[in-house]
Amino acid sequence: GAGVSQSPSNKVTEKGKDVELRCDPISGHTALYWYRQSLGQGLEFLIYFQGNSAPDKSGLPSDRFSAERTGGSVSTLTIQRTQQEDSAVYLCASSLSSAYYNSPLHFGNGTRLTVT
Amino acid sequence: AQKITQTQPGMFVQEKEAVTLDCTYDTSDQSYGLFWYKQPSSGEMIFLIYQGSYDEQNATEGRYSLNFQKARKSANLVISASQLGDSAMYFCAMREDSGGTSYGKLTFGQGTILTVHP
Repeated sequence: GAGVSQSPSNKVTEKGKDVELRCDPISGHTALYWYRQSLGQGLEFLIYFQGNSAPDKSGLPSDRFSAERTGGSVSTLTIQRTQQEDSAVYLCASSLSSAYYNSPLHFGNGTRLTVT
Repeated sequence: AQKITQTQPGMFVQEKEAVTLDCTYDTSDQSYGLFWYKQPSSGEMIFLIYQGSYDEQNATEGRYSLNFQKARKSANLVISASQLGDSAMYFCAMREDSGGTSYGKLTFGQGTILTVHP
């Protein structure tokens, strides 16, 4: 079946503009995650959704970042008033359920965000 | 304190030889899971292998095996018979049973770049 789909694959924006990144998880996966990866670095957790529970927003770096998940499926990560330090690859992942310990995350190919 | 530590920024191995990538973790939970991912230069994240904290046997998946030493809090990845296509960044990650809304996310280490020489 289809994997995790992210769009756009690349986004170049000017400093101060708002951007929206989209993630379409694997059908049937109830958990959805957003991570950020700067060049040559590890993955930084941003936010995660599990079913109808309140999302874990503990990784969002500032109030310029927000995310929503509509209908338990598609998610949008919004960055307002972008800054150059926001430049990174934004990775979305989904898993069958975070209640299953051995349920791995399946990642999309990411959105490469460049803020000029 | 770092929850996942990968002390080897880069590793080199000759084709067809085995290589061990180190991972140590820090948790006070009794229930947790450990994962390894591969990230080639193309950028995709590929799930390789999983080890649960209560699993008595070391996990194996084809050429990948996990050397799990619970008392030492280490979960090293062993790749046997290395291939040129194994050249990539490798990440160790942990899911903890922290309860509440923190449960479920994976925390990643900084990664190890593996280069396989012909």
